Amino acid sequence: GENVEQHPSTLSVQEGDSAVIKCTYSDSASNYFPWYKQELGKRPQLIIDIRSNVGEKKDQRIAVTLNKTAKHFSLHITETQPEDSAVYFCAASTTGGGADGLTFGKGTHLIIQP
Amino acid sequence: GAGVSQTPSNKVTEKGKYVELRCDPISGHTALYWYRQSLGQGPEFLIYFQGTGAADDSGLPNDRFFAVRPEGSVSTLKIQRTERGDSAVYLCASTSRPNTGELFFGEGSRLTVL
Repeated sequence: GENVEQHPSTLSVQEGDSAVIKCTYSDSASNYFPWYKQELGKRPQLIIDIRSNVGEKKDQRIAVTLNKTAKHFSLHITETQPEDSAVYFCAASTTGGGADGLTFGKGTHLIIQP
Repeated sequence: GAGVSQTPSNKVTEKGKYVELRCDPISGHTALYWYRQSLGQGPEFLIYFQGTGAADDSGLPNDRFFAVRPEGSVSTLKIQRTERGDSAVYLCASTSRPNTGELFFGEGSRLTVL
């Protein structure tokens, strides 16, 4: 089955700086790659996703890039703010998030230092 | 509210007991998922329902775990003869577009087995 590795496990950046979180996946058939943000004690919420027919997607301060050849994708957050502090999970799916569910990485705890 | 609702939010039980966890998906969402999230880990897929039937139960760890969705809406995750290793947050998610869209998660049910 699919295996998703995520790095780093903890990332501390100064407010206003950029943060990058990287994930690799093992199943070349995966075609859907969402990123979820989970605040302490709260539910995971989708912040951005990308499909395998696209190399990059941007939404305001967040962007995701996908390299299908290397089987890795990354989350980029620019101009970080205190409210960006949370745990971020990448995930992959071979059915667009459908029948096989999503395989999640172990998460990155992002800390924004004031 | 219109979100995914899970009850109970917290459940403490003794080893060997039976527990039921309930999920009310967003109205009209045909697809429903159960995930398990252990401390410091990403959500782990358990089972996927499309309508009333379990389309994929490959993530259930063993035969002590069972889930139903008899009318295609509310789902119940049932755990028999609970073990300490079952302690985790059990997340439910739903979507109206299982192959194209995001999953909407509930707040989860935190199960503690003493």
